[in-house]
Amino acid sequence: SQTIHQWPATLVQPVGSPLSLECTVEGTSNPNLYWYRQAAGRGLQLLFYSVGIGQISSEVPQNLSASRPQDRQFILSSKKLLLSDSGFYLCAWKGIRVNEKLFFGSGTQLSVL
Amino acid sequence: DAKTTQPNSMESNEEEPVHLPCNHSTISGTDYIHWYRQLPSQGPEYVIHGLTSNVNNRMASLAIAEDRKSSTLILHRATLRDAAVYYCINQTGANNLFFGTGTRLTVIP
Repeated sequence: SQTIHQWPATLVQPVGSPLSLECTVEGTSNPNLYWYRQAAGRGLQLLFYSVGIGQISSEVPQNLSASRPQDRQFILSSKKLLLSDSGFYLCAWKGIRVNEKLFFGSGTQLSVL
Repeated sequence: DAKTTQPNSMESNEEEPVHLPCNHSTISGTDYIHWYRQLPSQGPEYVIHGLTSNVNNRMASLAIAEDRKSSTLILHRATLRDAAVYYCINQTGANNLFFGTGTRLTVIP
C-alpha cells in the first residue's frame, strides 16, 4: 500500500533562518506531488506541484522553493524565513489520472519567531 | 482554475443527516467533483468523488445536480467525529488542484 511521510511534525525557526521540509512517498511510482500551506483558521493554499523529477510548477511567488531530486521525494526550502511563512505545511500525492484521490501527509506546523 | 463555492460554516445535531452544498458553476464536462475533509491538526482525507451520477460509500453520499453546476455531500447520521472542515474541489485535467476555504461543520451533541 502507498504511504506518505512528512517531517518534522513541528518546527520553530527564527526569522532569517533557512528551511528544509521533506516529503517522501512509498508504494507508488511517478506520482504527482504537491506542497500546500494553511495559515491558522484558513483554507489550503497551493504552493508548488510536480509531475516528475526536476519538474516544479509554482503557484504563488514568494521566498519558498521546491525541488524533486528523486521520483518520490519532494522538498520545500527557503533561504531566509519570514514571519509570514508561519503555517501548517502539507505534502500530498496523487496518481496521474484526473479522478485519482489526493493523499495528504500529516503536516508540519512551522512557527517563525 | 475551476472554482467552487461553499458556505463558511454549518451546524448539525448529532444523529441527524447533514447536507453540505457546493457550487461549481464553471465545471467542465470532464472535471471530477471530489470531497475531502480535514480534522483539526491533520491533513485532509478523501471522502468521496463523482463525475455525473450520484455516489455512495461507507462515509457519505454525493448527489450531483443534473447540470453538474452544484453538488451536495450527504452525511446520513452526523457523529461528533464528523466535525471537520469539508472541502469540495473540481479535479480537472490540469495538475494544479486548488482548495477553497471549505465548510466548517459543527456537530452539536
